[in-house]
This record gives sequence, structure tokens and C-alpha cells, in this order.
Amino acid sequence: GQNIDQPTEMTATEGAIVQINCTYQTSGFNGLFWYQQHAGEAPTFLSYNVLDGLEEKGRFSSFLSRSKGYSYLLLKELQMKDSASYLCAVRAPAGGYQKVTFGIGTKLQVIP
Amino acid sequence: NAGVTQTPKFQVLKTGQSMTLQCAQDMNHEYMSWYRQDPGMGLRLIHYSVGAGITDQGEVPNGYNVSRSTTEDFPLRLLSAAPSQTSVYFCASRASGGAKGIQYFGAGTRLSVL
Repeated sequence: GQNIDQPTEMTATEGAIVQINCTYQTSGFNGLFWYQQHAGEAPTFLSYNVLDGLEEKGRFSSFLSRSKGYSYLLLKELQMKDSASYLCAVRAPAGGYQKVTFGIGTKLQVIP
Repeated sequence: NAGVTQTPKFQVLKTGQSMTLQCAQDMNHEYMSWYRQDPGMGLRLIHYSVGAGITDQGEVPNGYNVSRSTTEDFPLRLLSAAPSQTSVYFCASRASGGAKGIQYFGAGTRLSVL
């Protein structure tokens, strides 16, 4: 089965750096995704890791350690618009299909 | 570029009623999925399709039917609505090829069953 854990809520200050952690236990592994979801909206893709290490994209970075079943999303220079839920998702083979399992999401509140 | 289009955006049903949630994508994606999102539960897979004419069950398929007669469309049918089906429903699509397999989501359908 698949199990993904991430904190339910976090609060951070505008301009600061925040790290959102995700741990997973899955049968097989074929990539980890981070999605951003603003309240009342659809999830949108942020980042993808399939190999160990850090992927950087502007203010956002994502790290993966496959041996530890661990990832984090790092948001730098926080802006008020970064207030959203951040969903960790793991892709793993399931029969002939690549199934994606989502965590419950971390609701980030950015305060002035 | 419309992407993934879901209709309706909001719906209220009475227990026992049936309805179809529509989903269409214009990106020629082979894979399409339906998820429901409930507080504290995350996105859960209801049904998915790997191509026209091929569908399969996800984690929570009971009470829902799907069909995939064309690449573009993937409707979700609620056969006899129950209050437990009150949720936000998202349709998603992705290409079958490519390493990333990024999913693109529709705007969602907010369903209340009374």
C-alpha cells in the first residue's frame, strides 16, 4: 500500500523561508510531485523529483532522498500569494498503470 | 488553450438522484482520472482511464461509473447519490509518454447531497 505523511498546517512570515516535509512508504517508486492548491481552486504542478537531490526552480526547490522515503519543498522569499495548500504525491507502478497517491496536503499561511 | 474543463462547477442533489459530471480535455492526453477531495483526506482516486475504451477502478469506486468513448471526454456518473458523496470532484489528465507525467486538473465540481 501507499502511505504519505505531511504536516497539516504551517505558518510563516512574509519574506522568510519555509520547508514543508513529506515522508512516504510505497510499494515501488517512480517519482515524487509537489502541487500547489489555492483555496477553492485546482491543484497546479510545482515540481518533480525522481532522482536523489535538489531541484531548483526560482523561489521553489524540492529535495528527494529515496533511501529515506523523504522529500521537502523549500519556499524562499515568501510572498502573501504563497498562502495555499501544498500537496505531496508519489507515483508508483500498479499493474500496468502508474498510480499517483496524494498526501492530505499542508496548508501554509503566510503572515505579514 | 482550455486544458481540462469540468461542468458543472456547483451542484446540489437530493439523496437517490443521479447525475453526470462532465470532463473534457483538449491536450490529446491518453490518461484521465477522477478524484474526490474531502477535508483531512487528500485527493482520492475514484476511477481512471488509460485510453479510449479502457477504464479501471481506483481507491473509492463504489457508487460511481465511468466510460471513455473518446480521448477527449471522461464523464463520471453518480448512480444514486448519497450524503457521503458530498465532496469536491476533480478531473485530471496527463500524457502517457514523458518522464514526468504531470497531471493537469480541471477547476472542480462542488457537490452537495442532501
